[in-house]
Amino acid sequence: GIQVEQSPPDLILQEGANSTLRCNFSDSVNNLQWFHQNPWGQLINLFYIPSGTKQNGRLSATTVATERYSLLYISSSQTTDSGVYFCAVNDRGSTLGRLYFGRGTQLTVWP
Amino acid sequence: DGGITQSPKYLFRKEGQNVTLSCEQNLNHDAMYWYRQDPGQGLRLIYYSQIVNDFQKGDIAEGYSVSREKKESFPLTVTSAQKNPTAFYLCASTPGGADTQYFGPGTRLTVL
Repeated sequence: GIQVEQSPPDLILQEGANSTLRCNFSDSVNNLQWFHQNPWGQLINLFYIPSGTKQNGRLSATTVATERYSLLYISSSQTTDSGVYFCAVNDRGSTLGRLYFGRGTQLTVWP
Repeated sequence: DGGITQSPKYLFRKEGQNVTLSCEQNLNHDAMYWYRQDPGQGLRLIYYSQIVNDFQKGDIAEGYSVSREKKESFPLTVTSAQKNPTAFYLCASTPGGADTQYFGPGTRLTVL
């Protein structure tokens, strides 16, 4: 299966700071999603972004499919942004929809 | 409201017992998935189903079983053959293919 690597594994910020999370993947994909896992374990969809750039409020994401990476930008961090951010991809050669997950980036935002 | 529900939220099991985790969706999605998450890890795929009465093994299917008798339901049974079942279990669904995948709130299983 596809290998997904996320960096950094841990990130500690003060409120108001900006950050960039990276996701590298080992093969062509037809689905890439960014999730935020809250302290209760719920996975919340942030972006469906197999290519291109999207923005949603303080968050934006860019996927460069030809170079096999995606970036998640968080601007003006808030304490509520804390949690684990996961990148997940689907094999481009597959129609099955299953996702391969990275290990996540643990983000802690201090007031 | 449309969404995915999982029950129970917390489950405690004695060694040697089988337990069944419930997953229901009212999104009219064709495909459903079960993932397992261990502390500090990403999610790993246990089983998935693209259509009623059909399902396939994922990467870590040993010690688990599923059924898909109805489109909206995809229960997971953790059997006594699963050697290390304590984990967080997440169910997901998608309309089909490479569409956006949506997750339920999860079930935390602890083996005593």
